[in-house]
Amino acid sequence: QSALTQPASVSGSPGQSITISCTGTSSDIGSYNLVSWYQQHPGKAPKLMIYEGSKRPSGISNRFSGSKSGNTASLTISGLQAEDEADYYCCSYAGSSTYVVFGGGTKLTVL
Amino acid sequence: EVQLVESGGGLVQPGRSLRLSCAASGFTFDDYAMHWVRQAPGKGLEWVSGISWNSGTIYYADSVKGRFTISRDNAKNSLYLQMNSLRAEDTALYYCAKDTIHSSSWSFDYWGQGALVTVSS
Repeated sequence: QSALTQPASVSGSPGQSITISCTGTSSDIGSYNLVSWYQQHPGKAPKLMIYEGSKRPSGISNRFSGSKSGNTASLTISGLQAEDEADYYCCSYAGSSTYVVFGGGTKLTVL
Repeated sequence: EVQLVESGGGLVQPGRSLRLSCAASGFTFDDYAMHWVRQAPGKGLEWVSGISWNSGTIYYADSVKGRFTISRDNAKNSLYLQMNSLRAEDTALYYCAKDTIHSSSWSFDYWGQGALVTVSS
């Protein structure tokens, strides 16, 4: 069982917006603004989409946005495109004992 | 262009050892912390270990503490993972990943393609 809880799957139609939630605890997401999100296509390495909760790396579309409320972080993808279909993982710093925890991943299907 | 190329994976018997290497290029290697993250077949991501830019701070997941050792050679732009007392549950694709800063921001902006480690008798 993963330390962070994500829905197993979400889906949306092209052009729509979807949100993937990532629920942790007061020991990880709730205590640090160090949540990151990764996109992984089948057979490929993960790709950083959001870091420090809401920052986008250079080259990442502004259709991707991150936020946090309490112990839950969220990734929103607006204007869904076919190439957004992938697995998405959240990740958080969890203090100086556990260090890093990942969510179990969410499979996004673009209908 | 940032490149991370892992090597050293393979099939190993339980209890034996294996050493992974990661060759880095396209960035100033000794400016950044580095990490190993693994993914068991068909499963999610699991952080394994991290090391600061100067090897001054090293971190391990509880699942590998005492069995795995991370190290780096900045002169060779290389990251290593020495894996001892391997178990079946260590079977995974092991990714080398670059941190966004020199100590650690706990986010990974570049990843290699992975080295497959299979632990089986």
